[in-house]
Amino acid sequence: QSALTQPASVSGSPGQSITFSCTGTSSDVGNYNLVSWYQQHPGKAPKLLIYEVSKRPSGVSNRFSGSKSGNTASLTISGLQAEDEADYYCSSYAGSITLVFGGGTKLTVL
Amino acid sequence: QVQLQESGPGLLQPSQTLSLTCSVSGGSVSGGGYYWTWIRQHPGKGLEWIGYIYYSGSTFYNPSLKSRVTISIDPSKDQFSLEMSSLTAADTAVYYCAGGPAYYFDYWGQGTLVTVSS
Repeated sequence: QSALTQPASVSGSPGQSITFSCTGTSSDVGNYNLVSWYQQHPGKAPKLLIYEVSKRPSGVSNRFSGSKSGNTASLTISGLQAEDEADYYCSSYAGSITLVFGGGTKLTVL
Repeated sequence: QVQLQESGPGLLQPSQTLSLTCSVSGGSVSGGGYYWTWIRQHPGKGLEWIGYIYYSGSTFYNPSLKSRVTISIDPSKDQFSLEMSSLTAADTAVYYCAGGPAYYFDYWGQGTLVTVSS
């Protein structure tokens, strides 16, 4: 069970759209539509943004959207805002009732 | 609104056993079919899933930690707990408890820092 692969950092300007990638294998991301995304501000607990690839919990802005193609899942933030600056983590069901996280991507809003 | 709160010692010595408890308020650990989980985050690093317990008592663990971890649940107190044995400095991390309907978690505790040092 290896961690999912996420780029260490991405950056964007306010108003732009930005996409995070999360690459797994055919044993996790590619085999199940059970990918989730979390946002974590410094010193805070993670917050659920997306579950089951593309579903948004109540209260999460529709600026956040998720998708998946093959072994790679993606999170897109549209209309980037300063408050979006945070770390973003993906996770996936990995079979046998286990879960795996990605290493996280730090978003900088320029 | 369901709230989770971790409690336990912040400093332990190598080879000791960590015991953390997560208290759930505003809801019940035995209702709703939730998975109650422990997740940790090494300083400056990503999240690592430790394991979860279903409200029925069934447990599921990260294979890399399974030999050292036990998660239990106490419905009478609306609490669930983590025990991790044979601690080393590599277990120094912020430990979060969380809960959710399936393989995602919409309720999180604030996290508690556990330092393993002699």
